[in-house]
Amino acid sequence: NAGVMQNPRHLVRRRGQEARLRCSPMKGHSHVYWYRQLPEEGLKFMVYLQKENIIDESGMPKERFSAEFPKEGPSILRIQQVVRGDSAAYFCASSFLDGHSGNTIYFGEGSWLTVV
Amino acid sequence: GNSVTQMEGPVTLSEEAFLTINCTYTATGYPSLFWYVQYPGEGLQLLLKATKADDKGSNKGFEATYRKETTSFHLEKGSVQVSDSAVYFCALSSGGYQKVTFGTGTKLQVIP
Repeated sequence: NAGVMQNPRHLVRRRGQEARLRCSPMKGHSHVYWYRQLPEEGLKFMVYLQKENIIDESGMPKERFSAEFPKEGPSILRIQQVVRGDSAAYFCASSFLDGHSGNTIYFGEGSWLTVV
Repeated sequence: GNSVTQMEGPVTLSEEAFLTINCTYTATGYPSLFWYVQYPGEGLQLLLKATKADDKGSNKGFEATYRKETTSFHLEKGSVQVSDSAVYFCALSSGGYQKVTFGTGTKLQVIP
């Protein structure tokens, strides 16, 4: 039973390029979260998605960042025109809301973005 | 809105010492509560959870009790090991879509 799969694990981009991070949720999970973690800092919520629907994007920067979770395929976090400050670990998590046991979310191993 | 407050770290303990990491929360309704652990260079792993008042979650010697009256979910372990060195995150889920909210994390360092 595969867990949450993220790729690439490590990504290097030059300033101004685009970064695409992919997340395949656990089997049967219909909800996906994206978080950002800067070195030695906590998790910062970015976006909460259901298939074909954005539930909460209050943590997403207004420009250059976008996320989707299509009906088929992985969730994608896209960062356009990357800057050095975008260098961070990006974590995806998935969950299945069953209405009874709370929303337990399971994390992937993360994608480390370095902007040079 | 919902929020989670954790004690600031780092917490440094000697091996076999008793551990408490405090966590309090603010939430509407009846949230579920969680502790996650993050080892260096890795993602977060679910450590334990509790879904209703007075429930006790436990795993790997760690435990936490859901205290509705004090809105707390403190993490405890009777005897820590060097391998427990990690960052610990308290979290809750609440609301219609059960959005998960995290605390800022507490770094634990256990020295031999």
